[in-house]
Amino acid sequence: SAVISQKPSRDICQRGTSLTIQCQVDSQVTMMFWYRQQPGQSLTLIATANQGSEATYESGFVIDKFPISRPNLTFSTLTVSNMSPEDSSIYLCSVNRGDGYTFGSGTRLTVV
Amino acid sequence: AQKITQTQPGMFVQEKEAVTLDCTYDTSDPSYGLFWYKQPSSGEMIFLIYQGSYDQQNATEGRYSLNFQKARKSANLVISASQLGDSAMYFCAMRGVNSGGGADGLTFGKGTHLIIQP
Repeated sequence: SAVISQKPSRDICQRGTSLTIQCQVDSQVTMMFWYRQQPGQSLTLIATANQGSEATYESGFVIDKFPISRPNLTFSTLTVSNMSPEDSSIYLCSVNRGDGYTFGSGTRLTVV
Repeated sequence: AQKITQTQPGMFVQEKEAVTLDCTYDTSDPSYGLFWYKQPSSGEMIFLIYQGSYDQQNATEGRYSLNFQKARKSANLVISASQLGDSAMYFCAMRGVNSGGGADGLTFGKGTHLIIQP
């Protein structure tokens, strides 16, 4: 299965600021997925990132709040913009190479 | 729209007993995949088992098996001979197929918190 390097692993940020999360995959993949896991909750898909096209966002998530970049087939970033305490969550990236979905280790974000 | 339902928020099981975690799903797609993941307190997502909608046999992976009942739209996870290290959150998830024929992201259930007692 794919190996994903996700960073930062955790961060504490001031409200009103932005944080960019990076995911690097050890091989080329067509799509990368970004999820949010709020405290004590399940995972919710934020968006799907295809290389060379705009990301596709799920209902309730907008590009201005969660801009995504996908400059090549092994890398993607998710930015959490203008953060508020409600954005405190674990953010995970994931890929599917046909042998199942592999997840990054997650970014634990606390907004104060 | 796809939906996954896990009705057991928490379960306590004695070590070495078998445990069944329930999962029902709803989808209008004829082609879909069902997954189970384990999330220990460290937060990592560990893949356990996969069942495709067209698979004839129930999936098995070591101590994990999936009781797939397509007509009832259920995909229960069975863990045999439970161990203390099995204590974790367990999520059932579904993958659909997008309009381009590629795999969509996963839709997750709310999860079951399993605690194995010695």
